[in-house]
Amino acid sequence: AQKVTQAQTEISVVEKEDVTLDCVYETRDTTYYLFWYKQPPSGELVFLIRRNSFDEQNEISGRYSWNFQKSTSSFNFTITASQVVDSAVYFCALSEEKSNTGKLIFGQGTTLQVKP
Amino acid sequence: GAVVSQHPSRVICKSGTSVKIECRSLDFQATTMFWYRQFPKKSLMLMATSNEGSKATYEQGVEKDKFLINHASLTLSTLTVTSAHPEDSSFYICSASTGPSASPLHFGNGTRLTVT
Repeated sequence: AQKVTQAQTEISVVEKEDVTLDCVYETRDTTYYLFWYKQPPSGELVFLIRRNSFDEQNEISGRYSWNFQKSTSSFNFTITASQVVDSAVYFCALSEEKSNTGKLIFGQGTTLQVKP
Repeated sequence: GAVVSQHPSRVICKSGTSVKIECRSLDFQATTMFWYRQFPKKSLMLMATSNEGSKATYEQGVEKDKFLINHASLTLSTLTVTSAHPEDSSFYICSASTGPSASPLHFGNGTRLTVT
């Protein structure tokens, strides 16, 4: 069965520190998609990244970077030089190709608090 | 970019009444819409998958008579919480997909329902 685990429930850092949010997934599919979303206190889900299972290249977008490793079934997210505005709940999610509908399985979320 | 509009953003209702939540895709046709529920400090749990012109598919444990879903057009899906009770108080959020799971899902801003 498919499953997404975010073992870190809450992380607190001081501004300008780097922080890594872990995500481990389980799936029997060979083709799948992994996502990260940010949920600020206002509640909306902000799409950050989508990665397909055949693309293991790491990606960097500004202060954000993602490390996808199929060997360990992990898709970790790093924020460099964190800022107070990064404070939010971050969700990792999995979508399987065979479902062909876009249904997402979410991890439990990691609450990131960045203190000034 | 693609936008999903959800309305209302907040609603307070009395026990026993019904509440309708709308989810609209503003600049694309959504063949599939999803309804999620999120309890405080918890992950998003899929309630049902809504396909235009057909009956919704409910996840295990979700009462279809309690949570009525209608997807009458390619741009609108509605969730009606019937005979609401305080335990139905939650954050409901919809997402829309243009088709295959390769498409990033677009989420509405969510509806915070409080049943008194």
